[in-house]
Amino acid sequence: EVQLVESGGDLVQPGGPLRLSCAASGFKFSNYWMNWVRQVPGKGLEWVANINQDGSEKHYVDSVKGRFTISRNNAKNSLYLQMSNLRVEDTAVYYCARPLRTTVITPGDYWGQGTLVTVSS
Amino acid sequence: SYVLTQAPSVSVAPGKTARITCGGNNIGSKSVYWYQQKPGQAPVVVVHDDSDRPSGIPERFSGSNSGNTATLTISGVEAGDEADYYCQVWDSNSDHVVFGGGTKLTVL
Repeated sequence: EVQLVESGGDLVQPGGPLRLSCAASGFKFSNYWMNWVRQVPGKGLEWVANINQDGSEKHYVDSVKGRFTISRNNAKNSLYLQMSNLRVEDTAVYYCARPLRTTVITPGDYWGQGTLVTVSS
Repeated sequence: SYVLTQAPSVSVAPGKTARITCGGNNIGSKSVYWYQQKPGQAPVVVVHDDSDRPSGIPERFSGSNSGNTATLTISGVEAGDEADYYCQVWDSNSDHVVFGGGTKLTVL
């Protein structure tokens, strides 16, 4: 069974750092692009970043470029999002998501349950 | 940057057909995904690659995509279909995933 389990969400002060993790199981993690998507409670979905199979290609939404870094450890079947210089507007539930197929980049059929990041003083 | 436009809300009576649209410049040239999200839950793909349904998704859900509009059609709407629906594409020009703003489907 495919599972994605996010962790690391917390209450953090503006300007602070935070690292999110996503533990994957039930599929060959190293064969898939992976995505982070966030959602402000009560609002819509916003794609944050994605990373290719070997970590050599990464893409970010403009609002997090230079502040967030996506990475992965295929030996540990894990995806990460290192967030720095956090802003109040980064407050959201963060999901990791796997594409439908190994040849697809975008989020697809498997999502984690999400982890809540709250940025507040 | 590429923008997808959805109506904020659509209402439909049970048993009727709901059509949720997603507008984007030449969206017909892109592969569209549709997600259903119920309160407190992660999104679920109901249509991918414009018109394909993942296993387990009822045939009542169908998609089409042409020109500047993609459409998710839900036939024989049921109370359990009440949810937020999002369209999504990959914009190869910017290397960005783009989501529409979402449409709240209300079953009257």
